[in-house]
Amino acid sequence: DVKVTQSSRYLVKRTGEKVFLECVQDMDHENMFWYRQDPGLGLRLIYFSYDVKMKEKGDIPEGYSVSREKKERFSLILESASTNQTSMYLCASSFLDRDNSPLHFGNGTRLTVT
Amino acid sequence: AQSVTQLGSHVSVSEGALVLLRCNYSSSVPPYLFWYVQYPNQGLQLLLKYTTGATLVKGINGFEAEFKKSETSFHLTKPSAHMSDAAEYFCAVLKGLRGAQKLVFGQGTRLTINP
Repeated sequence: DVKVTQSSRYLVKRTGEKVFLECVQDMDHENMFWYRQDPGLGLRLIYFSYDVKMKEKGDIPEGYSVSREKKERFSLILESASTNQTSMYLCASSFLDRDNSPLHFGNGTRLTVT
Repeated sequence: AQSVTQLGSHVSVSEGALVLLRCNYSSSVPPYLFWYVQYPNQGLQLLLKYTTGATLVKGINGFEAEFKKSETSFHLTKPSAHMSDAAEYFCAVLKGLRGAQKLVFGQGTRLTINP
């Protein structure tokens, strides 16, 4: 069974702090994604990666960066956290070369920035 | 550009009643469409997907969806609601070229089941 693990379930940080959200998958998936989920807005894609050291901007990349040094790990970085980044963050992964490969999601990290 | 609209942010039905969650898409190419479900305090899991072929797609937990090209719709249905179906449901369309594909999600519909 595919497992996507997000390192923290709940996180509270202060404005201006540098925040790291970590995601690890164990199915050798090439694709990895970071979404944020907000009520009434659904899921919005922040960044994704289809290979080690590769990254692509999603729909709302401002204020975020990512790192993919190893295939199984995809990190989301908030360089200077702000209160409008308080949200639920969801990591997902999938295969690259299989059409319509479904996304497998982690359980999410609920980040509060005060 | 591909996008998805879910009609109704909240739907409430009685236990045993029909569940109908609406999804309309816009796409310049034949779409690949998905429904995901999110139970409280969990990530999303795949309910069903449409790629090609049969337009009526069956998924897990008794759900099914019908792709209607003429209506640009992919509504999710279940004949008889169960209390365990209470969750948030997301419709999504696959966007992009092979190798850099990503899912674009609708706003979500929260389903409540009344006893």
